[in-house]
Amino acid sequence: QKEVEQNSGPLSVPEGAIASLNCTYSDRGSQSFFWYRQYSGKSPELIMSIYSNGDKEDGRFTAQLNKASQYVSLLIRDSQPSDSATYLCAVNGGSQGNLIFGKGTKLSVKP
Amino acid sequence: SAVISQKPSRDICQRGTSLTIQCQVDSQVTMMFWYRQQPGQSLTLIATANQGSEATYESGFVIDKFPISRPNLTFSTLTVSNMSPEDSSIYLCSGSFMNTQYFGPGTRLTVL
Repeated sequence: QKEVEQNSGPLSVPEGAIASLNCTYSDRGSQSFFWYRQYSGKSPELIMSIYSNGDKEDGRFTAQLNKASQYVSLLIRDSQPSDSATYLCAVNGGSQGNLIFGKGTKLSVKP
Repeated sequence: SAVISQKPSRDICQRGTSLTIQCQVDSQVTMMFWYRQQPGQSLTLIATANQGSEATYESGFVIDKFPISRPNLTFSTLTVSNMSPEDSSIYLCSGSFMNTQYFGPGTRLTVL
């Protein structure tokens, strides 16, 4: 059974700080990794994808992947109250392209 | 990216009835997926819908309860049959486009 683990939080950070969200996965053969943001009552929205070891930056967001440790993280720099949401880590689940989701980490950015 | 719409956005249904949810994608996608998200929980995959073949269901989900159609590369439907209050949830469809999954806005179902 492939699993994706996240700390459910809530994670609370002050405005302007760096928020660090972590995720581990069980299947060493996983190749594709995604971070989705989900606002309350809304559907998940893709914010980052990463496929190779190292860092990938996009604006205030940086995804980090370490396949040896089976670990994915998302850093949000200069956090804003509008970043307050649940962040879902997802890993490719198989040949059909489905995703396996973690339970999500709820982030709260305090003004 | 792909834009996905769902109908209805929400519904309140009586137990024992059935509801069909429609999912429309603005681009042709090979794979479409149906997920369920219960309050405060993450997404659980119900089934994968391929055009021209029967849907593939995950453990715990069966075709009689959740029949799926996929008549073409831009459209799919999920029916929730013989509903009970335990089926109250948000149902999300997604499409895989350029190795990325995009989600529809979801259908919020309440069963009384």
